[in-house]
Amino acid sequence: KNEVEQSPQNLTAQEGEFITINCSYSVGISALHWLQQHPGGGIVSLFMLSSGKKKHGRLIATINIQEKHSSLHITASHPRDSAVYICAVGIQGAQKLVFGQGTRLTINP
Amino acid sequence: NAGVTQTPKFQVLKTGQSMTLQCAQDMNHEYMSWYRQDPGMGLRLIHYSVGAGITDQGEVPNGYNVSRSTTEDFPLRLLSAAPSQTSVYFCASSYHWGYGYTFGSGTRLTVV
Repeated sequence: KNEVEQSPQNLTAQEGEFITINCSYSVGISALHWLQQHPGGGIVSLFMLSSGKKKHGRLIATINIQEKHSSLHITASHPRDSAVYICAVGIQGAQKLVFGQGTRLTINP
Repeated sequence: NAGVTQTPKFQVLKTGQSMTLQCAQDMNHEYMSWYRQDPGMGLRLIHYSVGAGITDQGEVPNGYNVSRSTTEDFPLRLLSAAPSQTSVYFCASSYHWGYGYTFGSGTRLTVV
């Protein structure tokens, strides 16, 4: 079983819909990261969080440490949000990140 | 522009050849790391460094070497390329391993 599991693996939605991507992990973590990988391949860091909630524009990330679960929400989705969204966790006591397999999001106009 | 610079962007190697993927950052980040990304799999850590002169193995280190002689540079060496090393390689850096990461644009490597 992977230490980091994302769901769904693929998600297609219409422009304007509210999007939720989930991430569950099975290890103790120091922080959780959400990344965005554009169709061209570049990877951008969106959020790093260790508790609570963070918001940047139309993106919201939440984490529940007790349940070992995080969600990434996109409000008023737009075709330019189409990308692969990757969850990664920093493992306690180890100087490294472990990555989920990613969620491929497609927003149709 | 400040950030992480990876070269080359594309490379084709023959089995058995060696090469070095370059990674440089100008943000004075202490932590640097190399990952490979394969279809259907998440990014996997190859090697990492927490500062100049200090490196350690990640999840999939076999067939790769690294060194960190300066804070800025963290090259990844393929000793004898194999088709199983066909992948997209990303370098990333961070002020500290637990902080936000900046990724390079990636190197698409094909070994034939």
